[in-house]
Amino acid sequence: EIVLTQSPGTLSLSPGERATLSCRASQSVSSNYLAWYQQKPGQAPRLLIYGASSRATGISDRFSGSGSGTDFTLTISRLEPEDFAVYYCQQYGNSFPYTFGQGTKLEIK
Amino acid sequence: EVQLVESGGGLVKPGGTLRLSCAGTGFSFSDAWMSWVRQAPGKGLEWVGRIKSKRGGETRDYAAPVKGRFSISRDDSKNTVYLEINSLKMEDTAVYYCAKVFALEHLVFDYWGQGTLVSVSS
Repeated sequence: EIVLTQSPGTLSLSPGERATLSCRASQSVSSNYLAWYQQKPGQAPRLLIYGASSRATGISDRFSGSGSGTDFTLTISRLEPEDFAVYYCQQYGNSFPYTFGQGTKLEIK
Repeated sequence: EVQLVESGGGLVKPGGTLRLSCAGTGFSFSDAWMSWVRQAPGKGLEWVGRIKSKRGGETRDYAAPVKGRFSISRDDSKNTVYLEINSLKMEDTAVYYCAKVFALEHLVFDYWGQGTLVSVSS
């Protein structure tokens, strides 16, 4: 099973700043099959990025994904108030199970 | 508009059984692969299992912690996917989400239901 480790656990930033979230896999993620989700309190997760760098439908271009192999990054440029949430990475490239990272909480500084 | 609506959660005693339902509208349900993902209170996301479409053979796959106790099925005539949970344990307490798989190449979840809470307690 691939273990995903996200860092930092909590990121405190101000609106307008740039956020960089990391997701590291315990082994290489095949075909860069890595996704990012955003979850706000009391809501279901929302797909942001798939295939490491492709934005899902309707997702702002302030969100971008990059990386390959074992190291992946979600970047949010110019933070808006609605971006403060918990972010999860997920790998789906290897055999089961699909696994999620433990999450990074992005909070307002 | 795609909608997924779960139901069937509630308070159950350890060892009990529960069947969750998820009704989907706004997309071709019979062609969709569907998954269940759970989230324990204050914790992260955990993939539970998946069922392929009938065209995909309705193959089911489960996460190791739930294999043998959880069973996913679907009724395309009702646009509904089910999750039956047997021998419930306290650690099964969680919000259970159903989610639609985005595409066969990208097995991520593009639409999610609002979740249904399962509480296991004596």
